[in-house]
Amino acid sequence: QKEVEQNSGPLSVPEGAIASLNCTYSDRVSQSFFWYRQYSGKSPELIMSIYSNGDKEDGRFTAQLNKASQYVSLLIRDSQPSDSATYLCAVNRPGTSYDKVIFGPGTSLSVIP
Amino acid sequence: DAGVTQSPTHLIKTRGQQVTLRCSPKSGHDTVSWYQQALGQGPQFIFQYYEEEERQRGNFPDRFSGHQFPNYSSELNVNALLLGDSALYLCASSSTGGTEKLFFGSGTQLSVL
Repeated sequence: QKEVEQNSGPLSVPEGAIASLNCTYSDRVSQSFFWYRQYSGKSPELIMSIYSNGDKEDGRFTAQLNKASQYVSLLIRDSQPSDSATYLCAVNRPGTSYDKVIFGPGTSLSVIP
Repeated sequence: DAGVTQSPTHLIKTRGQQVTLRCSPKSGHDTVSWYQQALGQGPQFIFQYYEEEERQRGNFPDRFSGHQFPNYSSELNVNALLLGDSALYLCASSSTGGTEKLFFGSGTQLSVL
């Protein structure tokens, strides 16, 4: 089992729709969870972080965390063509002494005008 | 405020050669993590440096080594290059020795022929 898994893409949604991106992780002791957006040919940029169970909203983005199910999701409301990118789920995995951030394979999102 | 800078942006090497990639972290950051991202994949954790020491390492062979300098900048060295080392190499910085909220550089695209 991979440490961080994401729903396979590509995901296509029409402009104005809700895009739903899912992620599961294997290490129960993980405490910090992140969503990064990566445009084609660019480096990842952080768009959301979440640490507690429940929902966290930031503009059109909502991150949801369920530690019991080891599940993280990202909802993008009113999707825009500019949201077309690869979305990477990342988990802060505790180590013996130090943590490290592990990324999932990414889900490619295409918003169709 | 300068962000994370990496050099060079592109590099072409042949099998068996050695390469050195460089990274300057974002101002105020003291921790540098290196990732390898193959085409269509998520970033894979190589190692992390803090206070000039490697304190976390991913599943990469000893051909991959690094260094952090007193000014927090870092180098990634890869010896005996293989074709499979062709990838985008990303440097990410974070603050206070932690791994929260990584800020990525634009990456170095390495091609091994």
